[in-house]
Amino acid sequence: EAQVTQNPRYLITVTGKKLTVTCSQNMNHEYMSWYRQDPGLGLRQIYYSMNVEVTDKGDVPEGYKVSRKEKRNFPLILESPSPNQTSLYFCASSPGLGTGELFFGEGSRLTVL
Amino acid sequence: KQEVTQIPAALSVPEGENLVLNCSFTDSAIYNLQWFRQDPGKGLTSLLLIQSSQREQTSGRLNASLDKSSGRSTLYIAASQPGDSATYLCAAWMDSSYKLIFGSGTRLLVRP
Repeated sequence: EAQVTQNPRYLITVTGKKLTVTCSQNMNHEYMSWYRQDPGLGLRQIYYSMNVEVTDKGDVPEGYKVSRKEKRNFPLILESPSPNQTSLYFCASSPGLGTGELFFGEGSRLTVL
Repeated sequence: KQEVTQIPAALSVPEGENLVLNCSFTDSAIYNLQWFRQDPGKGLTSLLLIQSSQREQTSGRLNASLDKSSGRSTLYIAASQPGDSATYLCAAWMDSSYKLIFGSGTRLLVRP
C-alpha cells in the first residue's frame, strides 16, 4: 500500500530536549516536505526536499533541521524544542516538484512543555 | 504575495443537497491544483488533482474545475451525505515560486 509513515504520532516533551520525527514513504517519490498546522494559521511549510541531499527552507524553518540521506526518509529534527513549536506536524511526498499528487502522513502531534 | 483563498470558511447544509466550494488564487501561473479532505485531528486525504492543462476532474460524486484565467477552482459535491462532513482544502503549486500554497479551508457540516 502506498503510504507516508510518520513517527511518533503523539509526543509530549520538555523545552530543550532534542527530538526527531521520522518520515518514510514507499512510493519512490523525489519530493518530500514538512508542514505544521496551527489553528487560525493553516498549513505552513517548514522544509522541503527535491531529491537526496537537496533540501531547502520553507516559510517557517526557524528551530528545525532536516536531512535527506535516502530517498525514502526525510526526518524532522528539533534540536532545542520550545513551547511555540507545539503543533500538529505533517510529512508529505509527491513524484516531483509541482508534479503529481501530494500524499500526506497521518500527522504527529507534538507538545513542548 | 501569492495567496489561495477559500470561501466560505464554513458551510452547513442538509443531507442530499448539491454544494459548491470555492477556491481562488492570486497567481494564474500554476502547475496544478489539488483538493484535499481533512477530518478532525487527522491527515489530509487527496480528493482530486487538476493539472494546469485540464479544465476539470471527476471522482464519484466529486467534480473539480479549474479556470486559470480567472484564478478560480470549484469543488462540486453532489447529493451530500453526513459522511462528507470534514474540512476541505485546496492547494496550488505556483509556477513562479515552486511553492505549494494552501487555502485556509472550508469546514463542511452535512446535517442528517
